[in-house]
Amino acid sequence: KQEVTQIPAALSVPEGENLVLNCSFTDSAIYNLQWFRQDPGKGLTSLLLIQSSQREQTSGRLNASLDKSSGRSTLYIAASQPGDSATYLCAVSGNAGNMLTFGGGTRLMVKP
Amino acid sequence: DGGITQSPKYLFRKEGQNVTLSCEQNLNHDAMYWYRQDPGQGLRLIYYSQIVNDFQKGDIAEGYSVSREKKESFPLTVTSAQKNPTAFYLCASSEGRNTEAFFGQGTRLTVV
Repeated sequence: KQEVTQIPAALSVPEGENLVLNCSFTDSAIYNLQWFRQDPGKGLTSLLLIQSSQREQTSGRLNASLDKSSGRSTLYIAASQPGDSATYLCAVSGNAGNMLTFGGGTRLMVKP
Repeated sequence: DGGITQSPKYLFRKEGQNVTLSCEQNLNHDAMYWYRQDPGQGLRLIYYSQIVNDFQKGDIAEGYSVSREKKESFPLTVTSAQKNPTAFYLCASSEGRNTEAFFGQGTRLTVV
């Protein structure tokens, strides 16, 4: 059964710092990996989708990489801002349909 | 304005009562999903539907039921058989396999 782990569980950084969030998964047979952002009490906002054949995706200050063979993905946030404070979740889709298996999330706090 | 609408935002259930959570999407997506989120945990799949009039159990389907009579609607009923229903419920949709998933804003269910 697929298991997804995110490290660290929480992270606090000063504004302007570049940071990396980590996601690992146990079964490399995935269709895609998606990174989401969740604000307190809200739903999930999709940030980036990486197909299994891709190595990375970029959107603005965000860059996500995927190493399927080693079961790892990273989300790089450049020049962090207080507005980036949220919980970041990664999820992988497996071999049937598009059901996602989620990690526990990284709670990010960017201090002014 | 395309998206996924969940209602109500907050719901209170008495012991022994069934309640239904609404999820509507106007994205013309074939697939829809229900996830449950508990404090400090990742999301877990309850039910999913890849096409109208068809749905499958996820990892934690016991005590829940769904229907998919229309493409745009996927209501979730939390039955009295669900012993610990207090949680945040999230509905999602996607075009199908290997595509980006989009989420609603969630319904917070509390047992009183």
